Amino acid sequence: DTEVTQTPKHLVMGMTNKKSLKCEQHMGHRAMYWYKQKAKKPPELMFVYSYEKLSINESVPSRFSPECPNSSLLNLHLHALQPEDSALYLCASSPYLGRGNTGELFFGEGSRLTVL
Amino acid sequence: KQEVTQIPAALSVPEGENLVLNCSFTDSAIYNLQWFRQDPGKGLTSLLLIQSSQREQTSGRLNASLDKSSGRSTLYIAASQPGDSATYLCAVRGKLTGGGNKLTFGTGTQLKVEL
Repeated sequence: DTEVTQTPKHLVMGMTNKKSLKCEQHMGHRAMYWYKQKAKKPPELMFVYSYEKLSINESVPSRFSPECPNSSLLNLHLHALQPEDSALYLCASSPYLGRGNTGELFFGEGSRLTVL
Repeated sequence: KQEVTQIPAALSVPEGENLVLNCSFTDSAIYNLQWFRQDPGKGLTSLLLIQSSQREQTSGRLNASLDKSSGRSTLYIAASQPGDSATYLCAVRGKLTGGGNKLTFGTGTQLKVEL
């Protein structure tokens, strides 16, 4: 199973709403990532979790709050977003680097977020 | 700071043609380089991964090469098909001690293969 599953596929929310994006993998990967992708642009890294601990935060605004409750799950909590936050949010996972691991990244299909 | 550039930005070819996509990166201290394809509105699908110690990798009609010293990688697609139409992205992972969990993506090449 080389699948990363993201839910929901589409989300429309108002600027005062609170919602969450979810990501799940069962490949035993211990690194999980959130990326943001705007139309016709490459993905931009937001957060990285290594062994369920936040290891990289690319200066993302606090209205985005990541959570890694266990080694298979990754959430992104959304609150008070702005219309410019509308984008495709991609989750990815990889084996933790080192010990002969290639660190190959596997992506989910993404959650398309629209903020009204 | 690592910068990754892909040329051309867009490419249109007739079916059956062999083609080469280019990826350049500024910092040669990398852990590996990965090629992805992305269909419109979809996630990224991993195509090939080349470790920094390797020169090339092959999968079916795809062949990726890596010249770390010159900061270049190429993705060769043989006998292109309409189903190959997608955006192709290369991504460079930094060395373990230098942000190994960061992948820097290239700007992408949008490929269209016409009947």
